[in-house]
Amino acid sequence: GDSVTQMEGPVTLSEEAFLTINCTYTATGYPSLFWYVQYPGEGLQLLLKATKADDKGSNKGFEATYRKETTSFHLEKGSVQVSDSAVYFCARNPSGAGSYQLTFGKGTKLSVIP
Amino acid sequence: NAGVTQTPKFQVLKTGQSMTLQCAQDMNHNSMYWYRQDPGMGLRLIYYSASEGTTDKGEVPNGYNVSRLNKREFSLRLESAAPSQTSVYFCASSEGQLEVHEQFFGPGTRLTVL
Repeated sequence: GDSVTQMEGPVTLSEEAFLTINCTYTATGYPSLFWYVQYPGEGLQLLLKATKADDKGSNKGFEATYRKETTSFHLEKGSVQVSDSAVYFCARNPSGAGSYQLTFGKGTKLSVIP
Repeated sequence: NAGVTQTPKFQVLKTGQSMTLQCAQDMNHNSMYWYRQDPGMGLRLIYYSASEGTTDKGEVPNGYNVSRLNKREFSLRLESAAPSQTSVYFCASSEGQLEVHEQFFGPGTRLTVL
């Protein structure tokens, strides 16, 4: 079945450090891929997405490139801020026809310290 | 647009009590979902409704029932609450007709069962 694996946290970085959160997915079909962010006490918000191979999604300084050859969609940011402290979820859309369920990774908690 | 709204935001129940969590969306989406989020478990799908008039079980449906009241509203009912149902519950919706299946989330209901 569909699955998404992302690096386990927590991840703690100093402000202005470089961020990478790894995400790999099962290669079934040609999924669209997503990164969601959850700030403390809130619901999930879509951060960025990519719908086909080699697409780069970007938003708020975050980027992720859809790599079909390595089945990966790693999240990166060049210089993190304290306000980026949150839980990040990687997700893929379903491979089966008529299926509507996204498959989420377990989430990676990021803490950025001043 | 309010997006996806959920009520209540917080609830404390005693074991054996019942309650209904309400969810509504104003984006004219076809599909709606109920998830629970537990520490270290990520998001787990409880039930979903691909379109008005249909509901299907997700990964963890036991102890829950749902009603798709109309296109806007999707409720989750706990008939006899148990401490294992202490969790944060999120409702989500998606257009459901497009390939991308991007989901929009509500702010969550934090439920404690004593």
